[in-house]
Amino acid sequence: QSVLTQPPSASGTPGQRVTISCSGSSSNIGSNTVNWYQQLPGTAPKLLIYSNNQRPSGVPDRFSGSKSGTSASLAISGLQSEDEADYYCAAWDDSLIGNYVFGTGTKVTVL
Amino acid sequence: QLQLQESGPGLVKPSETLSLTCSVSDVSITSSSYYWGWIRQPPGKGLEWIGSIYYFGGAYYNPSLKSRVTISIDTSKNQFSLKLSSVTAADTAVYFCARRVPSPVNAFDFWGQGTAVTVSS
Repeated sequence: QSVLTQPPSASGTPGQRVTISCSGSSSNIGSNTVNWYQQLPGTAPKLLIYSNNQRPSGVPDRFSGSKSGTSASLAISGLQSEDEADYYCAAWDDSLIGNYVFGTGTKVTVL
Repeated sequence: QLQLQESGPGLVKPSETLSLTCSVSDVSITSSSYYWGWIRQPPGKGLEWIGSIYYFGGAYYNPSLKSRVTISIDTSKNQFSLKLSSVTAADTAVYFCARRVPSPVNAFDFWGQGTAVTVSS
């Protein structure tokens, strides 16, 4: 079972801004950096954001991440049809040695 | 270019051991710069980290699976492997192998395409 909670769905029209929340606790988000992954239908996850707000090479700057306390957020500005995917937050959890936890996942739909 | 490729049986019987291999190309699995891991995704559900291994530091596992999981490295083939014992239908999932970059990135930055495993008699 996931220890990071995300809304099951989010949606927007092309060009809009969509925000996805990720709620954790002091042992994971509260004490470690947050990563975000994008999973297009039928494909493997892709690293979208690391270290709370850093984008790997090739990820468009309309994707941005932030963290505050035990919560994190992913924002997609200028939503595009190709952004329709599942998004997962993730972090290491200090309550159990070496435990990496994923969020429950959010399905983003472009209307 | 870095590639990770999972391989193994697509069907495993209940109570048996699931065995998968991840072949890594274009980077040495003994590199001090990377960890290697397994993640799975049951049909229609979210991602679950299974465990990771570091050539210089050993393996560590998801506590919920720890009693059944073994991850190992084969340096001669530049591969790492997953063994999950006493499987049940709940272990039916797509299994991904991935590369993890340690701090400060501390994330899985390259993934295999995944391999589907069904547990059924």
